[in-house]
Amino acid sequence: GAVVSQHPSWVICKSGTSVKIECRSLDFQATTMFWYRQFPKQSLMLMATSNEGSKATYEQGVEKDKFLINHASLTLSTLTVTSAHPEDSSFYICSARESGTDTQYFGPGTRLTVL
Amino acid sequence: GQNIDQPTEMTATEGAIVQINCTYQTSGFNGLFWYQQHAGEAPTFLSYNVLDGLEEKGRFSSFLSRSKGYSYLLLKELQMKDSASYLCAVRGGRSTLGRLYFGRGTQLTVWP
Repeated sequence: GAVVSQHPSWVICKSGTSVKIECRSLDFQATTMFWYRQFPKQSLMLMATSNEGSKATYEQGVEKDKFLINHASLTLSTLTVTSAHPEDSSFYICSARESGTDTQYFGPGTRLTVL
Repeated sequence: GQNIDQPTEMTATEGAIVQINCTYQTSGFNGLFWYQQHAGEAPTFLSYNVLDGLEEKGRFSSFLSRSKGYSYLLLKELQMKDSASYLCAVRGGRSTLGRLYFGRGTQLTVWP
């Protein structure tokens, strides 16, 4: 099946710093990628939809200036959490939609801890 | 709005069969997905239904009735490793850019 990678798998940072998370589709091209956040024992919450070559579409309540998304190529999208605070600590998961099947494949996730 | 309902928890014993139900009310429908998620890991794709009926894939089967807004995931010959959260997700229509709407997940515990 299709493979999506995420880097880093976990990160610990100080409050006020910025963290960049990469999402790559390894064996297929993805014109659309999605960024989710998941808190413990809760379901996935969509943050934004990332389209290659255009601006991301953010869900209601998600600050676009805090969560910067760049979809520079058909295989790479990045999420930058700017000026991170402890409440941003969460499990961030990306998914990439495979053209043709339209199936979304998820990356392994990035666990962010902000001290 | 979008509403995806599934039971919060289920338990079963090894070797048994379990059915996890999902009902949905969404504006637009373009397919229903089932994902498996182990604790601390990302979801993995299990099945996809877009037409009514049963899709079988090994020990897992998924059923869809669009008129009833209903789906189920059937797991046969349960194994301990099947203990996980099972997520039902509906893909919205074109106006939603193909996003998935997730239920809260059903935590399945398989006992020996």
